[in-house]
Amino acid sequence: AQSVTQLGSHVSVSEGALVLLRCNYSSSVPPYLFWYVQYPNQGLQLLLKYTSAATLVKGINGFEAEFKKSETSFHLTKPSAHMSDAAEYFCAVTFNQAGTALIFGKGTTLSVSS
Amino acid sequence: NAGVTQTPKFQVLKTGQSMTLQCAQDMNHNSMYWYRQDPGMGLRLIYYSASEGTTDKGEVPNGYNVSRLNKREFSLRLESAAPSQTSVYFCASFDIPNTEAFFGQGTRLTVV
Repeated sequence: AQSVTQLGSHVSVSEGALVLLRCNYSSSVPPYLFWYVQYPNQGLQLLLKYTSAATLVKGINGFEAEFKKSETSFHLTKPSAHMSDAAEYFCAVTFNQAGTALIFGKGTTLSVSS
Repeated sequence: NAGVTQTPKFQVLKTGQSMTLQCAQDMNHNSMYWYRQDPGMGLRLIYYSASEGTTDKGEVPNGYNVSRLNKREFSLRLESAAPSQTSVYFCASFDIPNTEAFFGQGTRLTVV
């Protein structure tokens, strides 16, 4: 069965600093991987996705993630944090395109200080 | 285009009461999901439906039942609510060609 582990439940950065949110996956077949963002009291918004095309995926708001099969990782990065990036971020995996079981990690809360 | 619509948005139940959370999508997606979100636990899959007429258990199905009434609607039922079911519930549908899930705005349920 597939699973996702997000390392670090809380990450704090200064405005302008690099953002790195870690995600490792477990899947017996090639995965489809996602990063979602959730702002307080809102639903989930897709940031980016990996669907077996390019391993470096660019998303909205300046975020990107790199799929590394050898490390079973799909870490999310942003070169320069903004205050508006403060939110909770979720990594998710599914094992086929039908999205039969979309499994989420426990989330990482990103805090950005000025 | 409404996307995924959940009702109600808020609900307070007494222990032992029953209720049904409604979810409807207007995007013609085959796959639909129900999740619960609790602090520090992320989103945990309760049930999912890969197509009309089929449902499967997810990670935390105990205490819940689901119905895929038609392609648009996927409801979640609590037969006898317990305080442990206090949570925020999200419904989602999956767009296969674009490999993307769309979420409702959530139902905040409190069981007292």
